[in-house]
Amino acid sequence: DSGVTQTPKHLITATGQRVTLRCSPRSGDLSVYWYQQSLDQGLQFLIQYYNGEERAKGNILERFSAQQFPDLHSELNLSSLELGDSALYFCASSVETGYGYTFGSGTRLTVV
Amino acid sequence: AQSVTQLDSQVPVFEEAPVELRCNYSSSVSVYLFWYVQYPNQGLQLLLKYLSGSTLVKGINGFEAEFNKSQTSFHLRKPSVHISDTAEYFCAVSDTHLFFGTGTRLTVIP
Repeated sequence: DSGVTQTPKHLITATGQRVTLRCSPRSGDLSVYWYQQSLDQGLQFLIQYYNGEERAKGNILERFSAQQFPDLHSELNLSSLELGDSALYFCASSVETGYGYTFGSGTRLTVV
Repeated sequence: AQSVTQLDSQVPVFEEAPVELRCNYSSSVSVYLFWYVQYPNQGLQLLLKYLSGSTLVKGINGFEAEFNKSQTSFHLRKPSVHISDTAEYFCAVSDTHLFFGTGTRLTVIP
């Protein structure tokens, strides 16, 4: 157990639908990062939150959004889902960027 | 801008043989470098990291890596691999967030 909790572990949904992925960071970590892992794109950084505020944005589609709540858990919202959104979505947390991240076990999203 | 290149997408190696997984980076600022391992159907686990100081970094599971500034490399090595080392290995460099390489699939052959 890494200390970073992601739910659900698996999600199957239809095209056009909306889903929410949840992440609880490791105790004491203020930063949360979301990554998408797919076979053709590899590990792509989506977005970072630090203590409730958006800190950095990567290759995140406009159909995707995220937020970090006062208790520091984070949610990634994916809407108008397409087949190409099928991927593993990882959450990671850290105290500071330069010291490495602790990853959760991921949510496997399948869009059918 | 930061970037990482993992030169080998797949590396097969016999059990108990040594292995080197190659990683080159580009960075315009001070560098923090990492190696992560991903076992099948699992998340990424930190193997080792270079922040500063000694250029030879030792990590978990007998792995080590050497930071070479002149060659902008951070290659991962293990003197004797086990079947259980079969996994995907990712090199990463930090900026505002971690930039990952495309990964190297290490397959240990019995």
